[in-house]
Amino acid sequence: SQQGEEDPQALSIQEGENATMNCSYKTSINNLQWYRQNSGRGLVHLILIRSNEREKHSGRLRVTLDTSKKSSSLLITASRAADTASYFCATRDYGNNRLAFGKGNQVVVIP
Amino acid sequence: DTAVSQTPKYLVTQMGNDKSIKCEQNLGHDTMYWYKQDSKKFLKIMFSYNNKELIINETVPNRFSPKSPDKAHLNLHINSLELGDSAVYFCASSQGSGGNNQPQHFGDGTRLSIL
Repeated sequence: SQQGEEDPQALSIQEGENATMNCSYKTSINNLQWYRQNSGRGLVHLILIRSNEREKHSGRLRVTLDTSKKSSSLLITASRAADTASYFCATRDYGNNRLAFGKGNQVVVIP
Repeated sequence: DTAVSQTPKYLVTQMGNDKSIKCEQNLGHDTMYWYKQDSKKFLKIMFSYNNKELIINETVPNRFSPKSPDKAHLNLHINSLELGDSAVYFCASSQGSGGNNQPQHFGDGTRLSIL
């Protein structure tokens, strides 16, 4: 099964700055999802974007999807210390009932 | 009011032992999953059940055997534990058949360490 690949792998920013992460994938997808994982916890779903959508917002999160480039980006605006976590993208192919997760981005927000 | 709960949270045991991990969800979801997350945080699907029926069975050693007594529970039994089994195991659930646009809800993981 194909995997999303996030880029960059680790990001350290000051509180208040924006954080941007990218994800690339290889197949035709039905949807792409972003999840957050705090240290020692399970993954928490953040946002889902369908293959026919180009941009989606949820609070301070903005996700874009470019199916021609097979890539997505997650932007966290006005970051907070509580945003410190690992962020994963996951893709679901058409006709497939499984999510393929990428390797994850570690984001550290310095207060 | 935990949505997806796994027990135990930590499991430290000797190589060769048999152990079980339990998972329960109170979200009324139809589909449950087991994932393995390695030391590099790579997350890989192992199994998925929909209404007690196995729908995903990845290339996993047959020492791993899932059991779903009802749609709210999915347990994982591991026989003859090996060093390479050390990882964090996550249970998750989602609404519907698993092949739709529903997000997955994860438990907090079981940290398995093999001595």
